Amino acid sequence: DTGVSQNPRHKITKRGQNVTFRCDPISEHNRLYWYRQTLGQGPEFLTYFQNEAQLEKSRLLSDRFSAERPKGSFSTLEIQRTEQGDSAMYLCASSLGLGPDTQYFGPGTRLTVL
Amino acid sequence: DAKTTQPPSMDCAEGRAANLPCNHSTISGNEYVYWYRQIHSQGPQYIIHGLKNNETNEMASLIITEDRKSSTLILPHATLRDTAVYYCIVRAAINRGGGNKLTFGTGTQLKVEL
Repeated sequence: DTGVSQNPRHKITKRGQNVTFRCDPISEHNRLYWYRQTLGQGPEFLTYFQNEAQLEKSRLLSDRFSAERPKGSFSTLEIQRTEQGDSAMYLCASSLGLGPDTQYFGPGTRLTVL
Repeated sequence: DAKTTQPPSMDCAEGRAANLPCNHSTISGNEYVYWYRQIHSQGPQYIIHGLKNNETNEMASLIITEDRKSSTLILPHATLRDTAVYYCIVRAAINRGGGNKLTFGTGTQLKVEL
């Protein structure tokens, strides 16, 4: 399968714990995006990378959130001191970074904070 | 990016064509119309996109009105597996000053029934 992959698929944690999610984009895709989706809503943009550079961050991305893409390939999204409001589906997408720039999404990581 | 308006829900009989409308009256000349769908608890799936001309691929057809203020996604022979939330998104190409994120609304919940 050459699509976008995300791990883990599900994560249950206790409030106050740190969690880290991983996204592996489609090979040769320069851009990588993170979105968050809560129940009944469409996905909301969090941040994106062009290669290893993080070029845009949403105001939804509080100080407790940090994303990295160290070698311009896979990316990690870390949430520190999780809160119950962080419970959501975290989605990763990748694109070539050209023209219409179609984004292809992974299956998501479902986070539940108890 | 221009805003879009979609009906919150639609029903379709299996085997029939599903026609999903989208209004984007403020679309500008360099903005594409994208369609994604999201089956319950999965990541969004890219379906099709277009600029001015009608487009067809193995999944669907996209009909864009001549004034580009509205479009229709057509699933020619809907099956139960097409039950999903369908999102219509307008976004410029990144080399035409387009934003980098996809802005999702709440979409149309399509229910395909026997």
